[in-house]
Amino acid sequence: DTAVSQTPKYLVTQMGNDKSIKCEQNLGHDTMYWYKQDSKKFLKIMFSYNNKELIINETVPNRFSPKSPDKAHLNLHINSLELGDSAVYFCASSQVAGGPTDTQYFGPGTRLTVL
Amino acid sequence: AQSVTQLGSHVSVSEGALVLLRCNYSSSVPPYLFWYVQYPNQGLQLLLKYTTGATLVKGINGFEAEFKKSETSFHLTKPSAHMSDAAEYFCAVSQLSGYSTLTFGKGTMLLVSP
Repeated sequence: DTAVSQTPKYLVTQMGNDKSIKCEQNLGHDTMYWYKQDSKKFLKIMFSYNNKELIINETVPNRFSPKSPDKAHLNLHINSLELGDSAVYFCASSQVAGGPTDTQYFGPGTRLTVL
Repeated sequence: AQSVTQLGSHVSVSEGALVLLRCNYSSSVPPYLFWYVQYPNQGLQLLLKYTTGATLVKGINGFEAEFKKSETSFHLTKPSAHMSDAAEYFCAVSQLSGYSTLTFGKGTMLLVSP
């Protein structure tokens, strides 16, 4: 069983469209994250949720809206897609406490290409 | 603010040779330190982490790293490279309290030749 799964794996879309990426973890973790990895492989945190509550919200355009329907799921909705949104988006989760020494478990990533 | 510097975007070694990937951190106090590996077209996987205690940390696949406070470093080593070690390696730091917040370095691609 995949611990952290993401759908879709690849997403190709036109500028201006709205799209969603879904993430699910079956590890029983309380904390989930979204990261963006750019074309130079640089990884940056976007959001973090603990038990469905937003706890980290980095300086991300408000076109990006995370939603956590329950603690096992964290979805990312992106409005009005721009060329600069092209990247690989990773979902991750960490243990119950979500503390600073916790190991984060990453999904396989979603490669978003905006044309 | 914490930051991580990984020296060398690419490191090439021969199979069987020593692997050394460098990581230096910038923090007012020693942070928690991590090494993650990313194989092609996959997500990141934890190799090892330093939180407290012994400064030499052993991880999976024969990797280890040593926390050196005086040098603000956390270099990753492996005595003998395998072809399967070819991947992108990321060093990361975490804040000392609150929720887990990783700040990643820019990554080092390890290339292993036969």
